[in-house]
Amino acid sequence: QVQLVESGGGLVKPGGSLRLSCAASGFTFSDYFMNWIRQAPGKGLEWVSDINSFSSYTNYADSVKGRFIISRDNAKNLLYLQMTSLRAEDTAVYYCARDLRLSGQNWFDPWGQGTLVIVSS
Amino acid sequence: DIQMTQSPSSLSASVGDRVTITCRASQSISYYLNWYQQKPGKAPRLLISAGSGLPGGVPARFSGRGSGTDFTLTISSLQPDDFATYYCQQGYSSPWTFGQGTKVEIK
Repeated sequence: QVQLVESGGGLVKPGGSLRLSCAASGFTFSDYFMNWIRQAPGKGLEWVSDINSFSSYTNYADSVKGRFIISRDNAKNLLYLQMTSLRAEDTAVYYCARDLRLSGQNWFDPWGQGTLVIVSS
Repeated sequence: DIQMTQSPSSLSASVGDRVTITCRASQSISYYLNWYQQKPGKAPRLLISAGSGLPGGVPARFSGRGSGTDFTLTISSLQPDDFATYYCQQGYSSPWTFGQGTKVEIK
């Protein structure tokens, strides 16, 4: 079945760095856009970044632009999020999600179980 | 950026009730509106795509309507498994944005 499994979360000090991974299985990973979406504790969902199939296009939320880098390895079916200059407000559960695009629109399905990032001294 | 506003933020309902949640976009998004269900401690799950599309495995008591700026998610007969938080998301233009969520609680 289609599955996404995130890893790499943890406790990091402000200003620090962390790399998240998302392992995909059950579908042809290289056929799809992929996304990172986060959710701060007790808050709503915030889209973070997306990447196209061949890594020729990436996009970021303004809140992370210049600090986060999304990448992928289609040979290994892995999605990454390199996070640098982390701030307390980056504390959240980070989800990876497959992006289904049809006729110019998108939706996210499925989502991984999430990995928690805590930025605190 | 397109702002998405849901109402109400929370509601209390009983099993068997008909429940409607509203989502409004700050500009026209055609029918490019999706709905997700999230239970505590779990990842969101796609419920409705492209305004009214029901993915496989989603019960028929869920339905979506609307186009332009105004959309609704309706649960025709609330079941115990439906108590959760529901989010809308516009799939019209990046950055992809979500509503703030509607928590459906047991009355």
